[in-house]
Amino acid sequence: GAVVSQHPSWVICKSGTSVKIECRSLDFQATTMFWYRQFPKQSLMLMATSNEGSKATYEQGVEKDKFLINHASLTLSTLTVTSAHPEDSSFYICSARVGFRTDDQPQHFGDGTRLSIL
Amino acid sequence: AQSVTQPDIHITVSEGASLELRCNYSYGATPYLFWYVQSPGQGLQLLLKYFSGDTLVQGIKGFEAEFKRSQSSFNLRKPSVHWSDAAEYFCAGGGSYQLTFGKGTKLSVIP
Repeated sequence: GAVVSQHPSWVICKSGTSVKIECRSLDFQATTMFWYRQFPKQSLMLMATSNEGSKATYEQGVEKDKFLINHASLTLSTLTVTSAHPEDSSFYICSARVGFRTDDQPQHFGDGTRLSIL
Repeated sequence: AQSVTQPDIHITVSEGASLELRCNYSYGATPYLFWYVQSPGQGLQLLLKYFSGDTLVQGIKGFEAEFKRSQSSFNLRKPSVHWSDAAEYFCAGGGSYQLTFGKGTKLSVIP
């Protein structure tokens, strides 16, 4: 149980294009979803938290106009990297959780999306 | 501000040997604590979690962790390491809503 599917797993695109990454909770309803960015050999950096039906809460330093997050249903959240540039190349990971609080349930992670901008 | 520290960047152990990965936290109250494992190019899998109660927590794949308030630690242990345990391990802690991750410890296993 508690499977999170992230798609695509790898995307390569030209600078200036927009890329959409999907995160789905397959067997549970995710009240809260998180988007992380991971640089090579480094830890996960939280980008934003989204609760279903609400606007995402972005961490300091994360451009909300560049990284558009939509959490329109209890099983789907999307991250759109708009006008992507090479510096946006990274490994993006989503996670999903039942409930709003850490002690409701732990976060369950997708397998990540490797984004390469040429 | 809350923080999670994993002092060891890389640890190498022989297959069959015991393992301990260190994690220290800094938080005003008792945080919720987790250990996750990440294989190359993949997401994170939850190994175990501590919310309250018994300070020795059992997880999947034969791992356990012990919460020690006096030392602000939550170290991960396994009595006998298998080659398939080679991966990156992340300790995470947090309050009610978000988690803070340590920088990770890469585990290599020598046959």
